[in-house]
Amino acid sequence: EVQLVQSGAEVKKPGESLKISCKGSGYTFTNYWIGWVRQMPGKGLEWMGIIYPDDSDTRYSPSFQGQVTISADKSTSTAYLQWGSLKASDTGIYYCARLSFGMVGTYYSYFGMDVWGQGTTVTVSS
Amino acid sequence: EIVLTQSPGTLSLSPGERATLSCRASQSVSSSSLAWYQQKPGQAPRLLIYGASSRATGIPDRFSGSGSGTDFTLTISRLEPEDFAVYYCQQYGSSRGTFGQGTKLEIK
Repeated sequence: EVQLVQSGAEVKKPGESLKISCKGSGYTFTNYWIGWVRQMPGKGLEWMGIIYPDDSDTRYSPSFQGQVTISADKSTSTAYLQWGSLKASDTGIYYCARLSFGMVGTYYSYFGMDVWGQGTTVTVSS
Repeated sequence: EIVLTQSPGTLSLSPGERATLSCRASQSVSSSSLAWYQQKPGQAPRLLIYGASSRATGIPDRFSGSGSGTDFTLTISRLEPEDFAVYYCQQYGSSRGTFGQGTKLEIK
């Protein structure tokens, strides 16, 4: 079974650091981009950035550039999202998801985020 | 950055009715890069449609997508009780993506 399993819920204080994880299984982890998506309480989905685990090529959304670090360890099929200094506004649910691509005719096309982790709830409060 | 605007914000319909959800982009989007997701309370999003009109694996054929350029539509032909949820459109291009703000489909 293809799946992404995320680490458990975290409760942190402002200023603390945090690293959450997303472990893939059931497929070749290095062949797919992994994306991170934030959902603040009661709000919609926000694209944070993506990483290609084979070479750790990383692309950030402008809104999250410099605010978080995305990394991956291909030896353990795990992607990570980390903060150096948390703020209360970082409170939310963080999802990882697999990006799928394929050929349509002669074009290399985006097939969507087809596998999602269960989400990691991060609460930042003093 | 491409901004996606979904309408309406909330749609109130009854089971058996037809639902039409709209997603408008701030600039032209390749049809091959437009996807739709469904999210139910307490659950992760689920991919419904990719390439603007292709159903993902296991998605019932009452779900269909259409559109091109800046205007895209998700249609649910006959609503089932399990279809009441929040729906998001999403575009991907130049190694970045954006989501619409979502449409909540609620039972009337």
